Amino acid sequence: QVQLVQSGAEVKKPGASVKVSCKASGYIFSNFGIRWVRQAPGQGLEWMGWISAYNGDTNYAQKFQGRVTMTTDTSTTTAYMELRSLRYDDTGVYYCARDRGSTYGMDVWGKGTTVSVSS
Amino acid sequence: QSVLTQPPSASGTPGQRVTISCSGSSSNIEVNAVNWYQHLPGTAPKLLIYSNNQRPSGVPDRFSGSKSGTSASLAISGLQSEDEADYYCAAWDDSLHGSVFGGGTKLTVL
Repeated sequence: QVQLVQSGAEVKKPGASVKVSCKASGYIFSNFGIRWVRQAPGQGLEWMGWISAYNGDTNYAQKFQGRVTMTTDTSTTTAYMELRSLRYDDTGVYYCARDRGSTYGMDVWGKGTTVSVSS
Repeated sequence: QSVLTQPPSASGTPGQRVTISCSGSSSNIEVNAVNWYQHLPGTAPKLLIYSNNQRPSGVPDRFSGSKSGTSASLAISGLQSEDEADYYCAAWDDSLHGSVFGGGTKLTVL
């Protein structure tokens, strides 16, 4: 079945970096993009950006420009999201989702990766 | 503040019909499709409605979506206890060149 399996929880210190992985299976990886969405504690969903699994094109939310890098490895059908210069307010749950385009939405989601930023 | 505006909460009794609104602008909802997601705490969000009013397979027809101008709505009829969740609208924003979410609406089934 189509699924996205994310890496496990992370605890990081302020200023550090975190790299979350998202392994896709059950579909042709290069046919879809991957979006990353996060949810801070007590807050709503926030779009972080998108990467094409076909050619690696990216589109990052302005808020994360310069701090985030999204990549894919087509040989392992895995997408990655790296966030640098972590701050306390980066604490939250990070989701990857299969993107069918803005018209058709994100139809398959990973279960989320909890990132805690703490000294 | 979110680009798309939703009421923070909504409620209804079993069997009732509830609607959740999502207000946007000429750069997002008016010109792009609206999608709705259901999110139960501790689980992955679920695509509920795409392209304003289309249901993915497996989503009950109790859920319906509509759009008019710069606003969209999600309607849930025959409310059930398992519908208690957070609901988010989302759309592409041409000015921001990115996707935007509403702030979410917590639905309580009384």
